[in-house]
Amino acid sequence: NAGVMQNPRHLVRRRGQEARLRCSPMKGHSHVYWYRQLPEEGLKFMVYLQKENIIDESGMPKERFSAEFPKEGPSILRIQQVVRGDSAAYFCASSPSGRGNSPLHFGNGTRLTVT
Amino acid sequence: GQSLEQPSEVTAVEGAIVQINCTYQTSGFYGLSWYQQHDGGAPTFLSYNALDGLEETGRFSSFLSRSDSYGYLLLQELQMKDSASYFCAVLGAGGSQGNLIFGKGTKLSVKP
Repeated sequence: NAGVMQNPRHLVRRRGQEARLRCSPMKGHSHVYWYRQLPEEGLKFMVYLQKENIIDESGMPKERFSAEFPKEGPSILRIQQVVRGDSAAYFCASSPSGRGNSPLHFGNGTRLTVT
Repeated sequence: GQSLEQPSEVTAVEGAIVQINCTYQTSGFYGLSWYQQHDGGAPTFLSYNALDGLEETGRFSSFLSRSDSYGYLLLQELQMKDSASYFCAVLGAGGSQGNLIFGKGTKLSVKP
């Protein structure tokens, strides 16, 4: 009964490189969400996807960031040309539906460090 | 816009009761959730209130007053393992779970 799986757990990139973060939702969950967390801060919504569709990307920067959730395989959050300000913990969550009372199940996050 | 206010830190002793308050401002209200996060760990869902009143789940209870835009999380019979950060959250516009707005979190320290 695997939960939400994220990898890698830690990722170090130099400025200008690309970062790819992966998320496999819980079995049976077709709704995936990406959140970003800075130290001592709450989680900030980035993007909400359903299989092959982006439902809401209002929290994601317009440039350098993209997300996908293909028919087969994990959801990917991609950050191009990373800058120091991208250093944060990125959490993925999934839920069986997009209804308001459906709790989010979070993964353990990917800690991105940009040097 | 939407914003949530909660205390940044709370300290209590083992066995005690602690209440973590949350006030919110939203353009539309679709429910208040609470999540727990241990250092470096995944946030885990604790409770959800859509209607006024108290919801009890074991040692944890959550309360909501929509007229006051206020809620709280009550933790009873505190244990050391309850030391964690607790976040209140409201749903974004449209009530879709997709855009959950989180508070900055309350760090609870439980002392022996």
